[in-house]
Amino acid sequence: GESVGLHLPTLSVQEGDNSIINCAYSNSASDYFIWYKQESGKGPQFIIDIRSNMDKRQGQRVTVLLNKTVKHLSLQIAATQPGDSAVYFCAEIKAAGNKLTFGGGTRVLVKP
Amino acid sequence: EPEVTQTPSHQVTQMGQEVILRCVPISNHLYFYWYRQILGQKVEFLVSFYNNEISEKSEIFDDQFSVERPDGSNFTLKIRSTKLEDSAMYFCASARLVSLNQPQHFGDGTRLSIL
Repeated sequence: GESVGLHLPTLSVQEGDNSIINCAYSNSASDYFIWYKQESGKGPQFIIDIRSNMDKRQGQRVTVLLNKTVKHLSLQIAATQPGDSAVYFCAEIKAAGNKLTFGGGTRVLVKP
Repeated sequence: EPEVTQTPSHQVTQMGQEVILRCVPISNHLYFYWYRQILGQKVEFLVSFYNNEISEKSEIFDDQFSVERPDGSNFTLKIRSTKLEDSAMYFCASARLVSLNQPQHFGDGTRLSIL
């Protein structure tokens, strides 16, 4: 069946280091992938997205990489800050529809 | 920055009772969504809504669920006869357009607790 999943449930990182969050997907028909950040008590907040015809996209301190060969998506956060502590979800949108299908989430804990 | 607002932030209801969750999407957005997140689990799609009708719904969205846009600003989710397993965070989202570069913006959710 189709799925969007995450490799690690919790990632602890030292403040100032880089973070890498991984996500695997199984549906080749997905056309668009998004990373959302969810802080405690808040709704998912859009971080960055990437279309399936791209390999890499950069934002402010964040980079998303897409490897279609192995159906793998990653989010890199540069110089991780305490404010980056949250749960991060990958999500996909299939070409034919507009609902988001979320992965299971990775919790990032930033140590001072 | 405009945002999606949801009320109440926490709703406690007896099993079997009806509950209405309210959302005010971003004002120039045309597409509206409900998602839910059971504690410790991933966010799940419930329903999408455009032009005063349901565009798509998941298998979770059965006959006990309904959505409505009663006026130009509110978007509601009604659960007619709540069950214990309906306990979850319910998120409303909206998007300006259905296109791949128009992300869905989420509210902060309503925590629904069924007793």
